[in-house]
Amino acid sequence: KAGVTQTPRYLIKTRGQQVTLSCSPISGHRSVSWYQQTPGQGLQFLFEYFSETQRNKGNFPGRFSGRQFSNSRSEMNVSTLELGDSALYLCASSLEVTGPIGLAKNIQYFGAGTRLSVL
Amino acid sequence: AQSVSQHNHHVILSEAASLELGCNYSYGGTVNLFWYVQYPGQHLQLLLKYFSGDPLVKGIKGFEAEFIKSKFSFNLRKPSVQWSDTAEYFCAVRPGTYKYIFGTGTRLKVLA
Repeated sequence: KAGVTQTPRYLIKTRGQQVTLSCSPISGHRSVSWYQQTPGQGLQFLFEYFSETQRNKGNFPGRFSGRQFSNSRSEMNVSTLELGDSALYLCASSLEVTGPIGLAKNIQYFGAGTRLSVL
Repeated sequence: AQSVSQHNHHVILSEAASLELGCNYSYGGTVNLFWYVQYPGQHLQLLLKYFSGDPLVKGIKGFEAEFIKSKFSFNLRKPSVQWSDTAEYFCAVRPGTYKYIFGTGTRLKVLA
């Protein structure tokens, strides 16, 4: 079974440009989450999509947006890039399994990430 | 606000030493708890998880973690580390919403 695939692996952009990152989840997974990883900050949650709907959103400015397609593939877009947007962007997919007590047993599987450098 | 604290940012151990990495979270309700590991140049991998039941969970590569509800903690342990355990370790909490909250990570270096 193929894992989570993120493209491209590396990107170099300049300030003010916009960028689109892509994520293909594990087959059958309907939930896709995006994170920004920077040294010392850990993983910061961007947003999560389930069945083409954004279910949750982190505390990032509106320049960060995303969407999910009917085949569960997801894209993340960052407009008007800033130097501080340089980071590793991670995508994670999960298969929601509802447990007996109600909280879904949700395990996230991560892709290798897209390394974005903003010059 | 919900948060996850990993108090040890950098840990250096010699091979065969015992390891304990701390993780505390701030949320009073039902949670799912996870430890992920990121080896150099590799993607994040799940080490172990807690959903319910026995608070002592065992994961891959000899790692285990104990959920102590009264202390809001989920510490990671390994009795004897190996050089190959050199990696960054992340604790994560899913506090009943659909998002995960990650700690800032602990970089472990094991000296051969």
